[in-house]
Amino acid sequence: DQQVKQNSPSLSVQEGRISILNCDYTNSMFDYFLWYKKYPAEGPTFLISISSIKDKNEDGRFTVFLNKSAKHLSLHIVPSQPGDSAVYFCAASGNAGGTSYGKLTFGQGTILTVHP
Amino acid sequence: NAGVTQTPKFQVLKTGQSMTLQCAQDMNHEYMSWYRQDPGMGLRLIHYSVGAGITDQGEVPNGYNVSRSTTEDFPLRLLSAAPSQTSVYFCASGFVGYGYTFGSGTRLTVV
Repeated sequence: DQQVKQNSPSLSVQEGRISILNCDYTNSMFDYFLWYKKYPAEGPTFLISISSIKDKNEDGRFTVFLNKSAKHLSLHIVPSQPGDSAVYFCAASGNAGGTSYGKLTFGQGTILTVHP
Repeated sequence: NAGVTQTPKFQVLKTGQSMTLQCAQDMNHEYMSWYRQDPGMGLRLIHYSVGAGITDQGEVPNGYNVSRSTTEDFPLRLLSAAPSQTSVYFCASGFVGYGYTFGSGTRLTVV
């Protein structure tokens, strides 16, 4: 049972345009969501997160949107740069007192390629 | 400040052998965990610890043991390696409720 799903295995975008990566989840106990970026032969690097009490969080070129009713989150990268080419993972964890507190459940990842 | 350090980076084992993957962090993080990454499956949690002396199982714990005798170290032991344990293993640490820091990974092949 895949509780966090990234349905697009890959995304190709032109430099300067917007990249939108999507993620869906099924566990209603999840209340903290994160995006990680991963280059080959390296560990994942934390990008940005959002708590369920918010619907948007921005950090520079990166914005994460959360739609709790749809159990959907997305990562927007504007403008996209060739250096953004990597695998992007979304992850979720539950609230304090729940069984998934502190434990990250990851999606399968989306390979983003930004063309110059 | 070295962050999260994993050793070794690469390892080849024969079926039935045992080994320990090392993980150390110097950030005084309370939370440490081990994940494995397999093609098309993202990262899956093996074991985790919320502090010294406290460990618990994640999603895929079978065939692995952990212990946490200090805040800094969280080794992962493979008791009797199987080809199904061929994977890339990542250690992560952090404070619960914040983004975790991952090590650079150990690529393990079991033949």
